[in-house]
Amino acid sequence: AQKITQTQPGMFVQEKEAVTLDCTYDTSDPSYGLFWYKQPSSGEMIFLIYQGSYDQQNATEGRYSLNFQKARKSANLVISASQLGDSAMYFCAMREAYTGNQFYFGTGTSLTVIP
Amino acid sequence: DTEVTQTPKHLVMGMTNKKSLKCEQHMGHRAMYWYKQKAKKPPELMFVYSYEKLSINESVPSRFSPECPNSSLLNLHLHALQPEDSALYLCASSQDSQGYEQYFGPGTRLTVT
Repeated sequence: AQKITQTQPGMFVQEKEAVTLDCTYDTSDPSYGLFWYKQPSSGEMIFLIYQGSYDQQNATEGRYSLNFQKARKSANLVISASQLGDSAMYFCAMREAYTGNQFYFGTGTSLTVIP
Repeated sequence: DTEVTQTPKHLVMGMTNKKSLKCEQHMGHRAMYWYKQKAKKPPELMFVYSYEKLSINESVPSRFSPECPNSSLLNLHLHALQPEDSALYLCASSQDSQGYEQYFGPGTRLTVT
């Protein structure tokens, strides 16, 4: 079974609007971390935001917030006030405590911001 | 400073060549990783070094040989590669084997001719 599922291969958003990128995960480990990375066409994977399984509040970092719904096993990324520079590939990832430093990546969502 | 550096940025090599990719970090991280990424796909884990010891080898062919000379450096030695090995090779590091986020380098775009 897929550990991380991203069902949106491509998304479009108007500049200055908000957009939600979906991510669901599958684990039986009570301790895990969820991550979002941005990969522009240049190739570098840029860490955006982290949510721990025991965190009570949703993580936020500037214009990025993570909508963590533990019972639904969902960790959607919300980007507010989209900018042209947000156009990139976005990957959701998970690490489980019992598998240590193994990261599981989703298939990614390609986001295009339209001026 | 959250920088991971990789050299070279681009590499073209023939199938009989031997070359090396280099990765360096000065964040005091004790876990380092090599990933292979094909276009429009997620990164695939190849190797993990934890405290300078190889802890994960994801059944990677022996034509890829990792080396961790010290806690700041990670090399990937390449020999007798195939055209299908052409990809973006990403290095990453994290605080330790149970650490949180991984920080990635800019990658080396490898073309095997």
